[in-house]
Amino acid sequence: NAGVTQTPKFRILKIGQSMTLQCTQDMNHNYMYWYRQDPGMGLKLIYYSVGAGITDKGEVPNGYNVSRSTTEDFPLRLELAAPSQTSVYFCASSYFEILSPLHFGNGTRLTVT
Amino acid sequence: GQQLNQSPQSMFIQEGEDVSMNCTSSSIFNTWLWYKQEPGEGPVLLIALYKAGELTSNGRLTAQFGITRKDSFLNISASIPSDVGIYFCAGQGSPSGGGADGLTFGKGTHLIIQP
Repeated sequence: NAGVTQTPKFRILKIGQSMTLQCTQDMNHNYMYWYRQDPGMGLKLIYYSVGAGITDKGEVPNGYNVSRSTTEDFPLRLELAAPSQTSVYFCASSYFEILSPLHFGNGTRLTVT
Repeated sequence: GQQLNQSPQSMFIQEGEDVSMNCTSSSIFNTWLWYKQEPGEGPVLLIALYKAGELTSNGRLTAQFGITRKDSFLNISASIPSDVGIYFCAGQGSPSGGGADGLTFGKGTHLIIQP
């Protein structure tokens, strides 16, 4: 099993550009999450999904969109990139909500200039 | 939102020393988790704690779920160079949490080991 796979690993965007961060997992997990990690901070939840076709906002959803058309994939979309979105983005998945630790991808480092 | 206070923020220790870090919260949690993150990678789960008072070991790592359910500590014994990284605590399943993700992260403890 590859676990949670994120692409790309790095990306530089200009202000106002758009992009999609890809995330796929091969563990048949129901729950998937997108977090951002800023220097010296813990991870903050952007969006999450409890299953295909269902998504919901986390703590910091503004400026982002997600979709969950399949169990495996959970892409994160930035429509109008802003410097405040410079961060490292982590996708994670878990089988259940409770008592089921998250498995993380290796992250996407995004810089918006 | 909820916050976890994780301390210390960073530790500079000699190889072979023991390490101790902790997290406290104003909210109670049903699960405490400890993750380690190395440069360029995502966090990896070290230990999961599911019951108040539980003491769990994983090799040289020992973690405890506080009786009050508002705190947890992680100890690393006889540190080695590969222990370097950032350690995060996370609380899961708080009654005051929202949505499917009851996971709240601390800000991390950066562990640096001098040979």
